[in-house]
Amino acid sequence: QAGLTQPPSVSKDLGQTATLTCTGNSNNVGNEGAAWLQQHQGHPPKLLSYRSNNRPSGISERLFASRSGSTASLTITGLQPEDEADYFCSAWDSSLSDWVFGGGTKLTV
Amino acid sequence: QVHLVQSGAEVKKPGASVKVSCKASGYTVTSYLMHWVRQAPGQRLEWMGRINAGNGDTQYSQNFQGRVTITRDTFASTVFMDLSSLTSEDTAVYYCVGEYPSGPGSGFDPWGQGTLVTVSS
Repeated sequence: QAGLTQPPSVSKDLGQTATLTCTGNSNNVGNEGAAWLQQHQGHPPKLLSYRSNNRPSGISERLFASRSGSTASLTITGLQPEDEADYFCSAWDSSLSDWVFGGGTKLTV
Repeated sequence: QVHLVQSGAEVKKPGASVKVSCKASGYTVTSYLMHWVRQAPGQRLEWMGRINAGNGDTQYSQNFQGRVTITRDTFASTVFMDLSSLTSEDTAVYYCVGEYPSGPGSGFDPWGQGTLVTVSS
């Protein structure tokens, strides 16, 4: 299945900073940027950022999204227990004419 | 407050079709592109297609071309996803979701609560 590449898991301690990555190519992340989603077990995903570095209202300022070339990153500072979740990236792929997703990173705090 | 409320869980036999509904409240669905995304156990999220609920224009993933149909009822503020020729690989949670804010680089928000579709003989 075509998609974006994310590390399967990241583990950090309370209060630390975690940086999650999402690698695509020039047709998707490198073109229009990526969005980030958070999903807690048994719940639908929640939008954390879009257009690489924009936060919807109500999203914590501890979250910071960025992009360098075809790799998008999500940095979460001052990790809290509620940050433990699965994180997915998404992007429009102009070559496939399809939205593509990453396989997700499980963040353990 | 924005809510997207989906229809309940379905159990279908292989070869059958399923139709899932998504009703919006506190949300002018006709002003948005509404998408359907599914999540199979242990698999990544998968985009199925979207509808411009204002004019009915649709776009589908090549992975589902010919099997998925997305429609809308503007008076009922409801969008529908119809998936045919079901196999066990279609067992998944199906989500309706809006495109936010719309246009290049957008993300997906808000999300429905999800509808579990189980395909089993």
